Amino acid sequence: GAGVSQTPSNKVTEKGKYVELRCDPISGHTALYWYRQSLGQGPEFLIYFQGTGAADDSGLPNDRFFAVRPEGSVSTLKIQRTERGDSAVYLCASSLTQGFGETQYFGPGTRLLVL
Amino acid sequence: TQLLEQSPQFLSIQEGENLTVYCNSSSVFSSLQWYRQEPGEGPVLLVTVVTGGEVKKLKRLTFQFGDARKDSSLHITAAQPGDTGLYLCAGREGSGGSNYKLTFGKGTLLTVNP
Repeated sequence: GAGVSQTPSNKVTEKGKYVELRCDPISGHTALYWYRQSLGQGPEFLIYFQGTGAADDSGLPNDRFFAVRPEGSVSTLKIQRTERGDSAVYLCASSLTQGFGETQYFGPGTRLLVL
Repeated sequence: TQLLEQSPQFLSIQEGENLTVYCNSSSVFSSLQWYRQEPGEGPVLLVTVVTGGEVKKLKRLTFQFGDARKDSSLHITAAQPGDTGLYLCAGREGSGGSNYKLTFGKGTLLTVNP
């Protein structure tokens, strides 16, 4: 069956530009997560959606980062005024619910490079 | 925020050798997971351990959760080139409503040479 998909797979942009990263979760999964993985690091939590609402955005590094999930399915991570330090792999994951023990299924990620 | 330290950071071995990687924290986790990540892909869940002292086996992989639920190990027997990848441990913070958040270690990059 279809897994989590993310587009684009790679994105190169210039410092100061705006970017949008898209995540299509597994059909029927109500919970959606964004993580960021910098080079040589493990993934770091950014934000969690339950349905349409952001239940926990405590991992967003600053107000240049914003994410939406308007219909409770597809999510978009938006980064304004990109900086070179934003370069990383942005991973999306989804789970059936957010209950204890629910497996998070990860997408392949979007590799963002800010020049 | 709970921190997870993984060791070694890099490991290069020959096919057929055994190896163990470690995941340690000063904090207690409600559960701990091991993932494998290949280049250009997202992490894929291998196992979840929940009970202190728990041991789980997945073919040639043996996972152990420490008695105090602060540490874990992954042992691979007779490693094969297909085992090559980044092995990540991740702990779930807290319990109940806050247990969705995964805290990852930096990973162990394993290379198994033919």
